[in-house]
Parts: sequence; C-alpha cells; structure tokens
Amino acid sequence: EAGVVQSPRYKIIEKKQPVAFWCNPISGHNTLYWYRQNLGQGPELLIRYENEEAVDDSQLPKDRFSAERLKGVDSTLKIQPAELGDSAVYLCASSPRTGVGSYGYTFGSGTRLTVV
Amino acid sequence: GESVGLHLPTLSVQEGDNSIINCAYSNSASDYFIWYKQESGKGPQFIIDIRSNMDKRQGQRVTVLLNKTVKHLSLQIAATQPGDSAVYFCAGHYGGATNKLIFGTGTLLAVQP
Repeated sequence: EAGVVQSPRYKIIEKKQPVAFWCNPISGHNTLYWYRQNLGQGPELLIRYENEEAVDDSQLPKDRFSAERLKGVDSTLKIQPAELGDSAVYLCASSPRTGVGSYGYTFGSGTRLTVV
Repeated sequence: GESVGLHLPTLSVQEGDNSIINCAYSNSASDYFIWYKQESGKGPQFIIDIRSNMDKRQGQRVTVLLNKTVKHLSLQIAATQPGDSAVYFCAGHYGGATNKLIFGTGTLLAVQP
C-alpha cells in the first residue's frame, strides 16, 4: 500500500504568487485532512473532508486558502496569493471514517513550502 | 481551552537507556490520546494510543501512561536505539462531530551512541 501520497515535496515561490498542493489518500479512506505544521510546532488542522464534503473548515484562512476534494478521493489545497507567513509544511492525512480511533489515521510526508 | 503541551523541548539519552517523554493537556474532552514520531522530512508516524478511560497501555518497547487527575501523559521507550531519534508529539483526539487532533509542540529525542 502506497500510503498517503503528497506532491510536490518541496515548493519555493515568491510572495503574492499562487501555489497548489495535491494529496492522494489511502484507498477507501473517506476522511481526509489538511494540516499545517510550522517549524518546531505540532500540526494544526486546516480542513477536514468527509468524502467530498468539507465538514470542518473553521481554521482555514478563507481569504487566501481554498481546497477541494472532487469525487471524494484526491484533494488539492491552494493558496492565492501566498504570504511570507505561509511558509510551513502542509500535511495531508486520511482515515477510514469518522470516529474509528487513531489506527488508520495516516499522514503523508508533506509539502514544504517556502515563500520568499 | 484546547491545548496539549510538552514539558521538555529536547531530551538526550544514551543508547540502551530508557526514555520518558512527558506531555500535559488542558482539555479533558479528548476521547483518546496518541503519540506520534516524526523524523526529518516525514509526516507524523503513529506509535501508540490510549483511550481516555485507560491509565496504561503497552506496545513493543513503548508504554503510554495517562494520569487524568493531573492531566498528564507520558511515553516510555525501553532500551532506546539510535533509530528512535526523532521529534515526538502527543496529540489529543476530539471525536464525534469535531473529529480532530490537537497536537503539542513536540520533544526532540536525541540518542547518543
């Protein structure tokens, strides 16, 4: 099993430019999460999907961030325009369904974004 | 409020010794707690979890202890190996409609040969 696959692994962009991250969750996992991890900190939830529905986007800065999960499988997270403070690692995770416990809650390797 | 924090940012141990990483939490609403290991350039990797109605759980070389009275969680690693060097996070899971993890800051475990 490939696990949660994210791309790109690294991205360097100039401020005010757009950027997009892609995530392919584990096959069959209905729940998909995007987390942001600042240097030296634990990950923080940005958005959670149940199938194709965004059920918790309360922490997503909606003025510049957007996400989609068409067909309830792959997901993309976009930032437009990027700011210096957006530099972080963006992690995608998936789990079989809500409330099944911590097993099966699997993270990808993340995309390290540097905004210059 | 919701927060899960760690006591020590860095822990240095000798290979073969036991390691203890501590974590404090403030919100008692977690239904379970999880310990993750994160190596450089990788995402968090599940180590062990414990339900909030338990006080101890053992895995392979790892033990998690939960003290709900003082809202404290610890991860014990027996016979620490160089491959255990990483950042360790505790996280509290909030279930039901919330269904999210609240992570602490992390502890860097450095294993000296």
